Amino acid sequence: AQKVTQAQTEISVVEKEDVTLDCVYETRDTTYYLFWYKQPPSGELVFLIRRNSFDEQNEISGRYSWNFQKSTSSFNFTITASQVVDSAVYFCALSEAGDDKIIFGKGTRLHILP
Amino acid sequence: DTEVTQTPKHLVMGMTNKKSLKCEQHMGHRAMYWYKQKAKKPPELMFVYSYEKLSINESVPSRFSPECPNSSLLNLHLHALQPEDSALYLCASSHRTSGNFYNEQFFGPGTRLTVL
Repeated sequence: AQKVTQAQTEISVVEKEDVTLDCVYETRDTTYYLFWYKQPPSGELVFLIRRNSFDEQNEISGRYSWNFQKSTSSFNFTITASQVVDSAVYFCALSEAGDDKIIFGKGTRLHILP
Repeated sequence: DTEVTQTPKHLVMGMTNKKSLKCEQHMGHRAMYWYKQKAKKPPELMFVYSYEKLSINESVPSRFSPECPNSSLLNLHLHALQPEDSALYLCASSHRTSGNFYNEQFFGPGTRLTVL
């Protein structure tokens, strides 16, 4: 069975601090896909990244970076030098090969304080 | 154009009303989705259309009726809803490819529905 766990329900940090959002997943498939989405107060889910199970390279995009570790079934997301505009709910998600469904974690609400 | 649009942005309806939500994308995506999201919860999948055919119905009550008139449009017809159906309704689309490769879903801004 698929499962995504985001243990951090809510995090508050002061602007310019670095913050890491944790994501742990469970799947029996050898081929699967992991995602991060951002949902600001406006409501729209914004796609941030997709990572395939066969590609364990970490990725950096500006202030965002992702650490994918199959050995610990984790796909953590770090925001460096956080900004107030980063305040949002962040969802980690999983999909298995051939499956139309995305399984979302419960989300982490991130508050960046000025 | 990487945008999914949804109308209306807000909708208030009574339990006896009939209304429709509309979703449109022009990215050439062949898979489209409806999700329901309650406050402080993740989105819950309702329906999936693949190549204009309904491929997944997550046991959604019949008062919700999806329709996919063409590859760019997705509607959700609402009838005799209950107050507990009040939620944010999100539409998404993704590029459909053969085999096991999975593409990310792009979401619209949602319709915030209130049922009185």
